Amino acid sequence: AQSVTQPDIHITVSEGASLELRCNYSYGATPYLFWYVQSPGQGLQLLLKYFSGDTLVQGIKGFEAEFKRSQSSFNLRKPSVHWSDAAEYFCAVGALFGNEKLTFGTGTRLTIIP
Amino acid sequence: GAVVSQHPSRVICKSGTSVKIECRSLDFQATTMFWYRQFPKKSLMLMATSNEGSKATYEQGVEKDKFLINHASLTLSTLTVTSAHPEDSSFYICSARRQGQGEAFFGQGTRLTVV
Repeated sequence: AQSVTQPDIHITVSEGASLELRCNYSYGATPYLFWYVQSPGQGLQLLLKYFSGDTLVQGIKGFEAEFKRSQSSFNLRKPSVHWSDAAEYFCAVGALFGNEKLTFGTGTRLTIIP
Repeated sequence: GAVVSQHPSRVICKSGTSVKIECRSLDFQATTMFWYRQFPKKSLMLMATSNEGSKATYEQGVEKDKFLINHASLTLSTLTVTSAHPEDSSFYICSARRQGQGEAFFGQGTRLTVV
């Protein structure tokens, strides 16, 4: 069965500091990996996705993520966070065909301090 | 492209009544739609998967008679919460997959409050 682990429930980072959010997955085939961001009371916004090819993917808002098959990881990074990055971040794994579903991690809440 | 619209964004209903939530793919045909539920400060839990023209497939533990899902066209799926109770209060999010294959795109969610 597919699963996603986000080990950090809550992370606090100073504005301007770098950020890394961890994500580990379990999936029986080639994984398709996603990072979403959710602001309070809002829906999900796709930050970036990995399907194949270059293992370092660039996303919106200055985020990037690196797929490491040997570690079953897909960590999200940003060199310098902004106060507006405070939100909940979800990693997800799934497939792209038919009824194949996405499985979400439990999320990491990011707090930014001045 | 690939816009999914959910309506309403917020609804308050009385206990015992039914509420219908719509999920529309605005600029593509969606053969498959997914309905998720999100409890406060929790992750998204898949409730059911619906395919156009056929019965929805519900995840284990989800009451199909409680959460009625209809996917009558390639651009519309509805979730009806029947005889709603306060414990049904939650954030419901749909996603839609293009015909054939591809990533699923998410709606903006519906906040349901049952009083």
